[in-house]
Amino acid sequence: AQTVTQSQPEMSVQEAETVTLSCTYDTSENNYYLFWYKQPPSRQMILVIRQEAYKQQNATENRFSVNFQKAAKSFSLKISDSQLGDTAMYFCAFNFGNEKLTFGTGTRLTIIP
Amino acid sequence: DAGVTQSPTHLIKTRGQQVTLRCSPISGHKSVSWYQQVLGQGPQFIFQYYEKEERGRGNFPDRFSARQFPNYSSELNVNALLLGDSALYLCASSKGTGVSQETQYFGPGTRLLVL
Repeated sequence: AQTVTQSQPEMSVQEAETVTLSCTYDTSENNYYLFWYKQPPSRQMILVIRQEAYKQQNATENRFSVNFQKAAKSFSLKISDSQLGDTAMYFCAFNFGNEKLTFGTGTRLTIIP
Repeated sequence: DAGVTQSPTHLIKTRGQQVTLRCSPISGHKSVSWYQQVLGQGPQFIFQYYEKEERGRGNFPDRFSARQFPNYSSELNVNALLLGDSALYLCASSKGTGVSQETQYFGPGTRLLVL
């Protein structure tokens, strides 16, 4: 079975600090796509960053970067210089080569002023 | 460009009723997916449609059905509503170029409450 695990239900950090959200997964597939989505209280699921499993270079989008360890099946999200607007639920999600996204259970991140 | 839109934003139904949720994809996107998000959990895949054909179905009962129209908009229908169907229903669109691992862009969701 293909599973996604987010072991941190909640996290909080001070504004301007750096925070890392963890995600691990299990699959026998070799080629897949990995995503981090953000869901603020407004409910809209917003794409934060995307990583192709065949690429060794970690993806970066402004203050957001990932640490993708394929052998360890780990895909963490680092948020640098955190801002109040980063407060949200964060979900890691995978496309394992079919039509659907498989999501983790989410991490609730709170940025403290 | 407008993002994915969904209607209605909120809906209250009673057990046994039927509901129809609507979704319009991003302009130029041909694929629409539906997800159910129960409070406190991640979204669960229900359906994906591409060019009006069903491409995938999640582990949901036959009470759930969907269709896609020639303009690529989509409807999700749920019959014989149960209390457990209360959830946020998310629609996502993607370009539909035939590559399965495309990025999906989500709408704001429809909050369904079944009493």
